[in-house]
Amino acid sequence: QQQVKQSPQSLIVQKGGISIINCAYENTAFDYFPWYQQFPGKGPALLIAIRPDVSEKKEGRFTISFNKSAKQFSLHIMDSQPGDSATYFCAASPNTGGFKTIFGAGTRLFVKA
Amino acid sequence: DAGVTQSPTHLIKTRGQQVTLRCSPKSGHDTVSWYQQALGQGPQFIFQYYEEEERQRGNFPDRFSGHQFPNYSSELNVNALLLGDSALYLCASSLAGGYGYTFGSGTRLTVV
Repeated sequence: QQQVKQSPQSLIVQKGGISIINCAYENTAFDYFPWYQQFPGKGPALLIAIRPDVSEKKEGRFTISFNKSAKQFSLHIMDSQPGDSATYFCAASPNTGGFKTIFGAGTRLFVKA
Repeated sequence: DAGVTQSPTHLIKTRGQQVTLRCSPKSGHDTVSWYQQALGQGPQFIFQYYEEEERQRGNFPDRFSGHQFPNYSSELNVNALLLGDSALYLCASSLAGGYGYTFGSGTRLTVV
């Protein structure tokens, strides 16, 4: 019940294309859903996050779509650029206790120039 | 505004030894969480410290212990190292009651 399942494991997209990464969760206590971006040799960096009271959040080229009834959420990267090549993690935090964050297994994105 | 600082950046230890990793949180943050990230995997929650107390713990054995100091900095200690403990250890700081972490760049631990 604490898992966050992420797909695909890896993704190759042409420059200018749309990258889509999907995640699913089971624990209804989760109420904060962030996406983190990690470059080699660095720690994850918070990219964008959403609460379940909205169905979509957009920040620049990055959009989170959230489906509360299906317990699924996804990251869309519009106009993907080679600099977006990184590993992306979806995550979820509960609204109780210490707000610990549970991470998905990650998606390695490669954007071809 | 300094972010999260971790030391050392790399470490090589022998099986059975003990190791201490250190973390200074982002200015203004009072909560420190530690994660283990195996190669090609997502970060796995080890534990979280707030007000110098362990507030939550993940599925890690007692060989993993920690400490938080009055200045909010934190240490992660691992005893009786196993080969399987080889990983990137990440420290993340946050505000109590708040969402969203700031991560450090991690300590790469190799156990030989």
